[in-house]
Amino acid sequence: LAKTTQPISMDSYEGQEVNITCSHNNIATNDYITWYQQFPSQGPRFIIQGYKTKVTNEVASLFIPADRKSSTLSLPRVSLSDTAVYYCLVGASGGYQKVTFGTGTKLQVIP
Amino acid sequence: DTAVSQTPKYLVTQMGNDKSIKCEQNLGHDTMYWYKQDSKKFLKIMFSYNNKELIINETVPNRFSPKSPDKAHLNLHINSLELGDSAVYFCASSQDREGHHNNEKLFFGSGTQLSVL
Repeated sequence: LAKTTQPISMDSYEGQEVNITCSHNNIATNDYITWYQQFPSQGPRFIIQGYKTKVTNEVASLFIPADRKSSTLSLPRVSLSDTAVYYCLVGASGGYQKVTFGTGTKLQVIP
Repeated sequence: DTAVSQTPKYLVTQMGNDKSIKCEQNLGHDTMYWYKQDSKKFLKIMFSYNNKELIINETVPNRFSPKSPDKAHLNLHINSLELGDSAVYFCASSQDREGHHNNEKLFFGSGTQLSVL
C-alpha cells in the first residue's frame, strides 16, 4: 500500500478555509484517495474520495494533481465542530485489500 | 438506528481475563473488520471477514480470535488479556461487492475502550 504523509497538526480560526495536504508518492494506478474524519470517542467517518482532478461534496473538496502523488482536502469556512483528526488513505478498500490509516492530521479550530 | 454498533463501549478488566467485544452492522454489507487504535491514535487493521470468511489476518497474537456467526456480526474474543492490549477497538464494515474493491467506503462503530489493569 502507498504510504501517506500528512502534517501532524494544524490550527485554524473559525470561518477560514482549511487545506490539508497528503503526500503519497508511491500511489498505484488503481488506488483511490480517501479522507476520513474522526472526532474524539468516535470511529472515523468517511468524508470524500477521489481518483483524479477535483471532487466536491457537501462537506469538502478534494484536489488531486495530474501526477496523483499528493492530494489536498479543503474544508470551506471551518467551525469549531470541525475540530477532529483527518486521515488520508491511499489504496483499495474492502475485504480483499488492507486499508492502513496513517497518523492523521489533528485540526484544531480556534474561536 | 446505528449502522455499525459495538458493545460494550467501555471494558475494564484484569490481566489474564478473557473478554469479548460484539459488533453488528445493519447495512447489509458483506465485509466486516476489526481495527485497533493505540494511545498514539494509530489505527491498525487486525482482521477482515467477507461473508463469514476470514480474508485478512494481520500480525495479531493468537489470543485474539474473531468469530463471525453471520455476515452481519463479527465478534472479537480476547484470551489472557495483557496490559498492552489496552486500546480502543473499532469494528467497521464495507459493501465490498465482488469485483468492486477499489472504492469501498468504511463505516465504523463508535469503538470499545479496553483497559487492562
